[in-house]
Amino acid sequence: NAGVTQTPKFRVLKTGQSMTLLCAQDMNHEYMYWYRQDPGMGLRLIHYSVGEGTTAKGEVPDGYNVSRLKKQNFLLGLESAAPSQTSVYFCASISGVTGASYEQYFGPGTRLTVT
Amino acid sequence: KNQVEQSPQSLIILEGKNCTLQCNYTVSPFSNLRWYKQDTGRGPVSLTIMTFSENTKSNGRYTATLDADTKQSSLHITASQLSDSASYICVVSAWIKLIFGAGTRLAVHP
Repeated sequence: NAGVTQTPKFRVLKTGQSMTLLCAQDMNHEYMYWYRQDPGMGLRLIHYSVGEGTTAKGEVPDGYNVSRLKKQNFLLGLESAAPSQTSVYFCASISGVTGASYEQYFGPGTRLTVT
Repeated sequence: KNQVEQSPQSLIILEGKNCTLQCNYTVSPFSNLRWYKQDTGRGPVSLTIMTFSENTKSNGRYTATLDADTKQSSLHITASQLSDSASYICVVSAWIKLIFGAGTRLAVHP
């Protein structure tokens, strides 16, 4: 059981380049999330998914697209990278929302630098 | 607007001492409140989760409290260790969305 994994761990892009970050979970979780973390700020939700084939916008979705073609994978795409997207990106998944208590698991993060 | 505010922003303590971190929130609807520990360069790891009806929960040397009336929570760390040096993040769940505080950066010095 690997939990939540992210690839790549590090990436440097030039302005205007595109890339895809991959998140994978092997816990059969329905809900998956992409966050970004910037210095001095809390994690901010980019997009999330409540199940295979569904996605929704979070707090800061501009400049990003996502896809959830398979339940275990959640992809985050940057079509035209900008320096403002330099950040650490975390993927997370939740076991469920039935009841009031549920565990959220995070991946190790992807450090992205856009020059 | 849903918000989670933490204090202090940073804290330095000596090994073996206790400390308390604070979290105030305005989040609706409220599902639960959790505290995470985040080591540098790693993803957050859950320490405690408390629902509306719980007012205290412990995990080893970590004890979290919740006052749902005043919308405040605290994380108390007992007999601190060097490995406690990390950021501690308060997170409040509004159903499937989680609202993150900016965290308190704790440094434990020998």
